[in-house]
Amino acid sequence: GDSVTQMEGPVTLSEEAFLTINCTYTATGYPSLFWYVQYPGEGLQLLLKATKADDKGSNKGFEATYRKETTSFHLEKGSVQVSDSAVYFCALRKTGFQKLVFGTGTRLLVSP
Amino acid sequence: DVKVTQSSRYLVKRTGEKVFLECVQDMDHENMFWYRQDPGLGLRLIYFSYDVKMKEKGDIPEGYSVSREKKERFSLILESASTNQTSMYLCASSLIPAGVEKGYTFGSGTRLTVV
Repeated sequence: GDSVTQMEGPVTLSEEAFLTINCTYTATGYPSLFWYVQYPGEGLQLLLKATKADDKGSNKGFEATYRKETTSFHLEKGSVQVSDSAVYFCALRKTGFQKLVFGTGTRLLVSP
Repeated sequence: DVKVTQSSRYLVKRTGEKVFLECVQDMDHENMFWYRQDPGLGLRLIYFSYDVKMKEKGDIPEGYSVSREKKERFSLILESASTNQTSMYLCASSLIPAGVEKGYTFGSGTRLTVV
């Protein structure tokens, strides 16, 4: 079945460090890919998305590129802030289907 | 601002009680979803609905039922609460994609503790 695999956390970084959170997926066809973020005590918010191969999604300094050849959608940010501390979820939605399939989430902790 | 509203942030219920979790969206979305979130397991789909009075089982429907009598409201029902249903419950809604992909809009979650 369809699945999303994320790197285990927590990822612990100092402020202004470079961030990469790995995400790979298994699905037939060309799913849409998403990154969601969950701040403490809140629900999930859409961070960025990409709907076809080689698309780059970006928002709030975060970027991810849809790589069909490696079935990956890694999240990157050049300089993290303390306020980026949250749990990040990678997800996919297959064309023609309504439900999202989520990874297990990666907790990011950024210290001053 | 468009939103998905879950009626309670925190609930404590006793084993065996019937529990109702309510979710309301104001975006005229066709699809609504209930997930539970547990550490190390991520989000798992319990039920979803793509129209009024329509429902589909997700990955973990056992012990749960749902009701969608109106387009804006989607209720999750625990028929007889058990301690293994202690979890964070997240409601979400989405349009049936047509054109621009918009993903889901989530509520803030209900943290349910069954004692």
